[in-house]
Amino acid sequence: EVLLVESGGGLVKPGGSLRLSCAASGFTFSNAWMNWIRQAPGKGLEWVGLIKSKADAETTDYAAPVKGRFTISRDDSKNTLYLQMNSLKTEDTAVYYCTTDVASKGFDLWGQGTKVTVSS
Amino acid sequence: EIVLTQSPATLSLSPGERATLSCRASQSVSSYLAWYQQKPGQAPRLLIYDASNRATGIPARFSGSGSGTDFTLTISSLEPEDFAVYYCQQRTNWPLTFGGGTKVEVK
Repeated sequence: EVLLVESGGGLVKPGGSLRLSCAASGFTFSNAWMNWIRQAPGKGLEWVGLIKSKADAETTDYAAPVKGRFTISRDDSKNTLYLQMNSLKTEDTAVYYCTTDVASKGFDLWGQGTKVTVSS
Repeated sequence: EIVLTQSPATLSLSPGERATLSCRASQSVSSYLAWYQQKPGQAPRLLIYDASNRATGIPARFSGSGSGTDFTLTISSLEPEDFAVYYCQQRTNWPLTFGGGTKVEVK
């Protein structure tokens, strides 16, 4: 089964850190460009960043609000994507999804999401 | 950054009616536009990619059109399961951006 499963969300204080994971199965993870997208409570979707495949030098790119604070990495041996979040702010509170394009030129595979709450 | 503006914000319709959703880009995105459906508590679901191509398993009542800056998602006859929020998204330029969404609700 083609699947993405996120984990690692929780409650963290402002200024704190958290690492999210996204376990992939059922497709060739090493070839995939992987993205993180978030959704604040009651709001729309916001792209957070991506990491390209090893063949594309594992290049990363980030949205302006998280650049310098968040780091995306991958471990192809474990079929796992990571999002290291540092210096968290209350406005980072959201459900975080990992997603990729498996069979089409759009995000056709999503995880179930993991909730991050930044609050004192 | 390319800004996507969706209209209307809310569409109140009855089952069986036709729904027409709009997405306008602040600059040309060619045909690199996708549409997603999201229901409460669920991850988004890809409906349409590259403006007019239905994703795998998407019913034929969903269709997309447009190019450049103006795009439309049409649901030809609303089924009960189609009441949800719909987002457009461009992949022409980084950062990838999404529209603010259109909620299709039961009238």
